[in-house]
Amino acid sequence: DADVTQTPRNRITKTGKRIMLECSQTKGHDRMYWYRQDPGLGLRLIYYSFDVKDINKGEISDGYSVSRQAQAKFSLSLESAIPNQTALYFCATSDPFSGSYNEQFFGPGTRLTVL
Amino acid sequence: KNQVEQSPQSLIILEGKNCTLQCNYTVSPFSNLRWYKQDTGRGPVSLTIMTFSENTKSNGRYTATLDADTKQSSLHITASQLSDSASYICVVLSGGSYIPTFGRGTSLIVHP
Repeated sequence: DADVTQTPRNRITKTGKRIMLECSQTKGHDRMYWYRQDPGLGLRLIYYSFDVKDINKGEISDGYSVSRQAQAKFSLSLESAIPNQTALYFCATSDPFSGSYNEQFFGPGTRLTVL
Repeated sequence: KNQVEQSPQSLIILEGKNCTLQCNYTVSPFSNLRWYKQDTGRGPVSLTIMTFSENTKSNGRYTATLDADTKQSSLHITASQLSDSASYICVVLSGGSYIPTFGRGTSLIVHP
């Protein structure tokens, strides 16, 4: 089984709809991240969480919110989706104390299209 | 502001040929530099990591170099294969921070 899973894998929605993307991990890592990827722009950080009670904004948090329901679960919400939020979304986890130099382990991604 | 610049943006080579991808960074203080490979439609996967004291590190046909003085890294791919077609992303972590800085990636296409 994959260590980091994301649901759904693909989603098409309409402008103004509320959308939730979910991420689950079995790696036992405390740190979790949400990124979006757009062609030519690379990965950009939306939100990150260093433990269940810690939530931090990344460089492009406007229009997004997150919830850390448990160590293993980190959800990303778009309260009112707009077309420029069409992108590939990745969840990632890391453990900076494992000797892996804070390697990030990514999920398979969610392709979101907002019409 | 911490920045990571990669070149070229895209590259097309023939199967069996070698290629070199470049990464320049202005992240300070430096902790480590990692190269990720991202296949189309998948999440990035780590290829290799370079710490401050390392100059060269190999992982099969992939060889990464680091020059901490000039703040440059390269990823050399030897005897390319069709499966090397992917995006290669340079990521730098600054000391004291656990938030990495990502480059925009180099898209490599290997043609038969």
